[in-house]
Amino acid sequence: AQTVTQSQPEMSVQEAETVTLSCTYDTSESDYYLFWYKQPPSRQMILVIRQEAYKQQNATENRFSVNFQKAAKSFSLKISDSQLGDAAMYFCAYRRGNFGNEKLTFGTGTRLTIIP
Amino acid sequence: DADVTQTPRNRITKTGKRIMLECSQTKGHDRMYWYRQDPGLGLRLIYYSFDVKDINKGEISDGYSVSRQAQAKFSLSLESAIPNQTALYFCATSDLRGNQPQHFGDGTRLSIL
Repeated sequence: AQTVTQSQPEMSVQEAETVTLSCTYDTSESDYYLFWYKQPPSRQMILVIRQEAYKQQNATENRFSVNFQKAAKSFSLKISDSQLGDAAMYFCAYRRGNFGNEKLTFGTGTRLTIIP
Repeated sequence: DADVTQTPRNRITKTGKRIMLECSQTKGHDRMYWYRQDPGLGLRLIYYSFDVKDINKGEISDGYSVSRQAQAKFSLSLESAIPNQTALYFCATSDLRGNQPQHFGDGTRLSIL
C-alpha cells in the first residue's frame, strides 16, 4: 500500500521569507500524481499545486513550487515571499496513475504559521 | 454556488443515533468520495463510488455505510453513532483524468456526545 509521510507537524516562517515543507512517499508504481492541498482555518481543502510523476520539470504556481525527486520519492513544497494568508494546514497527497485508482492517500499534514 | 455541497455544516448528536451526511455536486463528475479528518491523522478514505452502481470500501469503512442516489448525490450514514466517530468529514469528487485534482466540499464537523 502506498504511504505518504509529512515529518514536520508544525513549521513557522517570517512574513516575506521562504519556507519548505517536506513530503516523502512510498510506492512501487512508476505512474502516479502528487498534490499539495492547503486547508486554512475556514477548513476548505484548496489545491495548491500538482505534479505528474512522468514529468521531470518541477511544477510551479506563482509563489509555490515543488522539488520533485522521483528516485528519492520526495515531493517538497516551497513557498516564497510568505504571506499571512499562507497560514494553514498543508497536506501532501498521492494517487496512482492508472484508470480506476483515483482515490487519494494523504499525509498527516504540516501546520504552517506565518510570523508578522 | 459551491460545486460540491455538504449538509449539514455542523452537527452535534448523541451516542446511538443514526446520522446521515449528504453531499451533492454540480461538476458532473462520476467519482465521489467520503473522507474523515482527525487531528494528527490527515484525511482517510471511508468509501468511494465510481458511478451509481459502483461502491467501494476505503481504509476505514467499519461503522459507516453509503448510498449513491444519483450521479450528483452521495450520502454517508452512521447507523449507530459512537464518540470516536467525532471528526471532520469531507466529500470530494473527481473525473477520470489522472492529473485532475479532487474537488472538496466544505466539510461537516460532527460531534458525538
